[in-house]
Amino acid sequence: GAVVSQHPSRVICKSGTSVKIECRSLDFQATTMFWYRQFPKQSLMLMATSNEGSKATYEQGVEKDKFLINHASLTLSTLTVTSAHPEDSSFYICSARARGWQETQYFGPGTRLLVL
Amino acid sequence: GESVGLHLPTLSVQEGDNSIINCAYSNSASDYFIWYKQESGKGPQFIIDIRSNMDKRQGQRVTVLLNKTVKHLSLQIAATQPGDSAVYFCAENRRQGGKLIFGQGTELSVKP
Repeated sequence: GAVVSQHPSRVICKSGTSVKIECRSLDFQATTMFWYRQFPKQSLMLMATSNEGSKATYEQGVEKDKFLINHASLTLSTLTVTSAHPEDSSFYICSARARGWQETQYFGPGTRLLVL
Repeated sequence: GESVGLHLPTLSVQEGDNSIINCAYSNSASDYFIWYKQESGKGPQFIIDIRSNMDKRQGQRVTVLLNKTVKHLSLQIAATQPGDSAVYFCAENRRQGGKLIFGQGTELSVKP
């Protein structure tokens, strides 16, 4: 149990285009999903917290208009990187927390984004 | 500012030996701690967790110790295997249902 998937696993795009990353909880309902960003050899940096049916809460310094988050159902959250630039290249990881499981977060496999 | 930090950024051990990875946290109000393992190019994998009302918790080949007096957390891996090679992160939760704060990570390298 507690499986979280992400799609795509890897994406290469041109500068100025938008990229959508999906995060799904496969065997449980996730009331809360989190989006992280990770640069090589560094820790995970929380970008935003997404609750089903409500607007995401962004961490300080994260542009909400650039990183659009939608949590339309209890099993799906999406992160759209709008007008991507090379500095947005990174490893994006989502996690999900189920109703009743309190604090335990389970992570997806990550999405490697390369912006040319 | 407040953070969760690790004493050792890298750790190299011989296969079969026990490994100990340490973590210091600064917020005494933290009530829940988790250890994650992250292999290269993959997402973090849950290993074991512990709540602040406990001092020790054991899993399969892993033990987490919590010392609230000195705000210190450790992960012990028994009979370390090559498959244990990865980066290990501790994370703290500062209130029930809140977001996790991750430490910097320790890279564990197991020599055959």
